[in-house]
Amino acid sequence: GAVVSQHPSWVICKSGTSVKIECRSLDFQATTMFWYRQFPKQSLMLMATSNEGSKATYEQGVEKDKFLINHASLTLSTLTVTSAHPEDSSFYICSARDSLAGDYIQYFGAGTRLSVL
Amino acid sequence: GENVEQHPSTLSVQEGDSAVIKCTYSDSASNYFPWYKQELGKGPQLIIDIRSNVGEKKDQRIAVTLNKTAKHFSLHITETQPEDSAVYFCAASITGTYKYIFGTGTRLKVLA
Repeated sequence: GAVVSQHPSWVICKSGTSVKIECRSLDFQATTMFWYRQFPKQSLMLMATSNEGSKATYEQGVEKDKFLINHASLTLSTLTVTSAHPEDSSFYICSARDSLAGDYIQYFGAGTRLSVL
Repeated sequence: GENVEQHPSTLSVQEGDSAVIKCTYSDSASNYFPWYKQELGKGPQLIIDIRSNVGEKKDQRIAVTLNKTAKHFSLHITETQPEDSAVYFCAASITGTYKYIFGTGTRLKVLA
């Protein structure tokens, strides 16, 4: 089955530092990946759409300079939280679409819990 | 834009009973409706989905029904088991994109 690997699963950082989160599709190509943010006991909120070889598309209200997205290959997208602050602490989840299947299905990673001290 | 409402927010059932979760959506052009199960501290897992040209789909103990006229769809879990306890999210595709809008989630607790 389609597997999406997300790394790290948990990261703690100091305020003002940057953190990079990786999202990999292990057994399929994904020209489109998505990054979500989820606060405790809340739903998933789409932050941005990551497009292989082009700029990411950000949802309204999401700071693109704060959340840098790079989708440099067909199987890897990264999210960098720059100059992290405690309010950036959250659960970040990526998903990927199987490009060749041409389907709507999104396969999700296991998520990354970010704690900013 | 698309909006998805989900009810109930919490649901407790006895083991072996059925559970039903309902969602409504606002964009009549939405054509794809997945359901995800999320366990604590993990990413969502697709459990079943339905497309707008189908009224019902079943996979063992899980079924989804879609009423396009009323713009609502429901998840049905029969013969519930303790391992079904989790948060369930419905979603609807956003017309012209591959993006989803998620419902607010239902915390299902199956009591042994």
